[in-house]
Amino acid sequence: AQTVTQSQPEMSVQEAETVTLSCTYDTSESDYYLFWYKQPPSRQMILVIRQEAYKQQNATENRFSVNFQKAAKSFSLKISDSQLGDAAMYFCAYRSASPGGGADGLTFGKGTHLIIQP
Amino acid sequence: DSGVTQTPKHLITATGQRVTLRCSPRSGDLSVYWYQQSLDQGLQFLIQYYNGEERAKGNILERFSAQQFPDLHSELNLSSLELGDSALYFCASSVDPGWDTEAFFGQGTRLTVV
Repeated sequence: AQTVTQSQPEMSVQEAETVTLSCTYDTSESDYYLFWYKQPPSRQMILVIRQEAYKQQNATENRFSVNFQKAAKSFSLKISDSQLGDAAMYFCAYRSASPGGGADGLTFGKGTHLIIQP
Repeated sequence: DSGVTQTPKHLITATGQRVTLRCSPRSGDLSVYWYQQSLDQGLQFLIQYYNGEERAKGNILERFSAQQFPDLHSELNLSSLELGDSALYFCASSVDPGWDTEAFFGQGTRLTVV
């Protein structure tokens, strides 16, 4: 079974600064997807960014980018120019990509609570 | 707004009771997923349906069951409730069950068992 580990229960960053959230995972599969989800106080789970394991290029979405190290099974999220609206719980998640199309759900880490200091 | 609707938003019930949580997926989405978020276990995948058929099972208890109806809405039934079942229950939907398809989450149902 796959596991996802987020070793930082809480992180704090000054507004406009850059912060990196860590995530490591364990799997014996070669094909999979990795995700970062954001959960603000509204409880809504919002997809921030995703990475296909077969792609070497790191995914980027505006101020959000990832550092995907497949050999090290590491998938960190970098948030640049942090804004007050970025304050939330951030969850790293894994999904298998089996040859049949993959029908499993997401495996989540425990989350990192990101605090933005004004 | 993700387009996924969950009702009710909040539910308080007593131990031993049975409740039903409802999920309406986004228009056009055929696949529905249920997740449980609790302080102890974090976010856990429970079960997935695709076009009315059960597709995958995660850490779903035997006291829990789900189904997806012909109109594609889904219900999660929780019975013989225990205090430990108190959690936020999410439904997510996607166009198909493929691993490369983004799933959109509803706002969840907060279940409190007293």
